[in-house]
Amino acid sequence: EAGVVQSPRYKIIEKKQPVAFWCNPISGHNTLYWYRQNLGQGPELLIRYENEEAVDDSQLPKDRFSAERLKGVDSTLKIQPAELGDSAVYLCASSTRSGTSGKEQFFGPGTRLTVL
Amino acid sequence: QKEVEQNSGPLSVPEGAIASLNCTYSDRGSQSFFWYRQYSGKSPELIMSIYSNGDKEDGRFTAQLNKASQYVSLLIRDSQPSDSATYLCAVNTNAGKSTFGDGTTLTVKP
Repeated sequence: EAGVVQSPRYKIIEKKQPVAFWCNPISGHNTLYWYRQNLGQGPELLIRYENEEAVDDSQLPKDRFSAERLKGVDSTLKIQPAELGDSAVYLCASSTRSGTSGKEQFFGPGTRLTVL
Repeated sequence: QKEVEQNSGPLSVPEGAIASLNCTYSDRGSQSFFWYRQYSGKSPELIMSIYSNGDKEDGRFTAQLNKASQYVSLLIRDSQPSDSATYLCAVNTNAGKSTFGDGTTLTVKP
């Protein structure tokens, strides 16, 4: 079974430029998460999808971040314009939905973003 | 106060010893609890999940949950150098909200 796929693995951009990250979850996983992880910290949830619906985007900085999961499968996270403080690892995870609290998450390899 | 608190460490134990990792959480509505291991430069991988009070054992790993005290722990028996990593505690609320702690860095010395 293929794991969570993310691309690109690394991205270096200058501030004020746009950037996009792509994620393809494990087949059959209807819950998809985007996290941001800074060095020495745990993953911080940006947005959670149940199928194509964004059910928790309270931590997403909506002035510059956007995300979509149009067909309830793969997803794209975009930053426009990027700022120096956006440098981090962006992780995508997926899980099945069992009960009300959800199941364990499976993570992709992440995208390491450097903003110069 | 963070929603999920962990001692940042580093925690250092000798090979063969028991490593004890602790986590507290603030949301009493939390229902699911997970421990993930993250090697440097890699993404988190699941070690254990626990949903009810008590102990759950899987090989050298034991997760313990006490909902009344809002406390979850992970014990690693017979620690190996390959266990050296950052261990992340994650908590899911009844609404499916998932919150991670900042992790505890464990070093197992040969």
